[in-house]
Amino acid sequence: AQTVTQSQPEMSVQEAETVTLSCTYDTSESDYYLFWYKQPPSRQMILVIRQEAYKQQNATENRFSVNFQKAAKSFSLKISDSQLGDAAMYFCAYRRPSYQGAQKLVFGQGTRLTINP
Amino acid sequence: NAGVTQTPKFQVLKTGQSMTLQCAQDMNHEYMSWYRQDPGMGLRLIHYSVGAGITDQGEVPNGYNVSRSTTEDFPLRLLSAAPSQTSVYFCASSPRTPYSGTEAFFGQGTRLTVV
Repeated sequence: AQTVTQSQPEMSVQEAETVTLSCTYDTSESDYYLFWYKQPPSRQMILVIRQEAYKQQNATENRFSVNFQKAAKSFSLKISDSQLGDAAMYFCAYRRPSYQGAQKLVFGQGTRLTINP
Repeated sequence: NAGVTQTPKFQVLKTGQSMTLQCAQDMNHEYMSWYRQDPGMGLRLIHYSVGAGITDQGEVPNGYNVSRSTTEDFPLRLLSAAPSQTSVYFCASSPRTPYSGTEAFFGQGTRLTVV
C-alpha cells in the first residue's frame, strides 16, 4: 500500500520570504501522480499543483513550484514571495493511474503554514 | 456551477444515533469518494464509487455504509454513531478520464461531533 509522510506538522515564514514544505512517499509503482492541496480556515480543499511521475520537469504554478525527486520518493512544495493568504494547512497526496483502479487519493498528515507579517 | 455540495455543514449526534451525510455533484462525474479528516492523520478514504451502483471500501470503512443509486448523489450513512466518528467529513468527485492527474473536486466538509 502507498503511504505519504509529511514530517513537518507546522511551519512559519515571514511575509515575502520563501518556504519549502516537505513530503515523502512510499510506492512500488512507477506510474503515479502527486498533488499539493491547500486547506484554508474555510475548510475548502484547493488544488495548488500537480506532478506526473513520468515527467522529469518540475511543475510550477506562479509562486508555487515543486522539487520532485522520483528516486528519493520526495515531493516538496516551494512557496516564493509568501503572502498572508497562503496561510493554511497543506496536504501532499498520491494517486495511482486510472488503469489501476479508481482515482483514490492517499494523503499525508498535513503541514500547517503560518505567515508572519 | 455548484460543484460538490455537502449537507449539513455541522452536526452533533448522540452516541448510538444514526444519520446520513448528503453529497451531490452536478458535474456528471463518475468517481465519488468519502474521506474523514482527523488531526495529525490527514484525510483517509472511507468509501468510494466508480459509478452508479458500484461502491467499494476504502481505508477506514467500519461503521459507515454507502450506496450510489444515481450519478449525482453519494450519501454516507452512520448506522450507530460512536465518539470515534467525531471528525470532519469530505466528499469528493472526479471525472473518469485516462488522465489520472485530473483534479478531484471537494465539498465544503461536514463537521460531525458525537457525544
